[in-house]
Amino acid sequence: LAKTTQPISMDSYEGQEVNITCSHNNIATNDYITWYQQFPSQGPRFIIQGYKTKVTNEVASLFIPADRKSSTLSLPRVSLSDTAVYYCLVLNRDDKIIFGKGTRLHILP
Amino acid sequence: DVKVTQSSRYLVKRTGEKVFLECVQDMDHENMFWYRQDPGLGLRLIYFSYDVKMKEKGDIPEGYSVSREKKERFSLILESASTNQTSMYLCASSPTGTGTQIQPQHFGDGTRLSIL
Repeated sequence: LAKTTQPISMDSYEGQEVNITCSHNNIATNDYITWYQQFPSQGPRFIIQGYKTKVTNEVASLFIPADRKSSTLSLPRVSLSDTAVYYCLVLNRDDKIIFGKGTRLHILP
Repeated sequence: DVKVTQSSRYLVKRTGEKVFLECVQDMDHENMFWYRQDPGLGLRLIYFSYDVKMKEKGDIPEGYSVSREKKERFSLILESASTNQTSMYLCASSPTGTGTQIQPQHFGDGTRLSIL
């Protein structure tokens, strides 16, 4: 079973910052928080992964509070091409990767 | 960049046929995976492999088999295709890594298989 809860869908406008929050109350000590992005008719693509505090790469930032029971994926200045499904996963190397239903992000012009 | 290539984007087969889906990765990854993705059900793991000639059942292996004769290639076989196997099939690969951190999986773009 997926260990995470995230909103089913979100709408935003081009140029805005989008924050998608994921809840994972039962996160274990060895678990990492990982986000994937999936466009229609494509496989999921890894976006970012973190364990604690903040991680940033060229695509997104991941904010993780001290208790690690939630995390927030932040997409700066989104464009129409960011319309996709975003999956939050919490797992370690011994877990099977299980994708939930994700958050369907729709960017409006 | 890691490249995971699936042999076909679209495939149409008939009930009872033996179907082969091929997947090749170019990054020398130890691990390879086959999933199917259906609306409302997310991705479900069919089989995975941690090494050449090694295979492990995932959540829904019934009706499928796999072959991994070379490190870079992982094949999914539908022994006798049925209409309920119509789906999007996704292959992925990942390195093993060290410690407890999970290594991200790299996915192909999928094969949309229709069984008539």
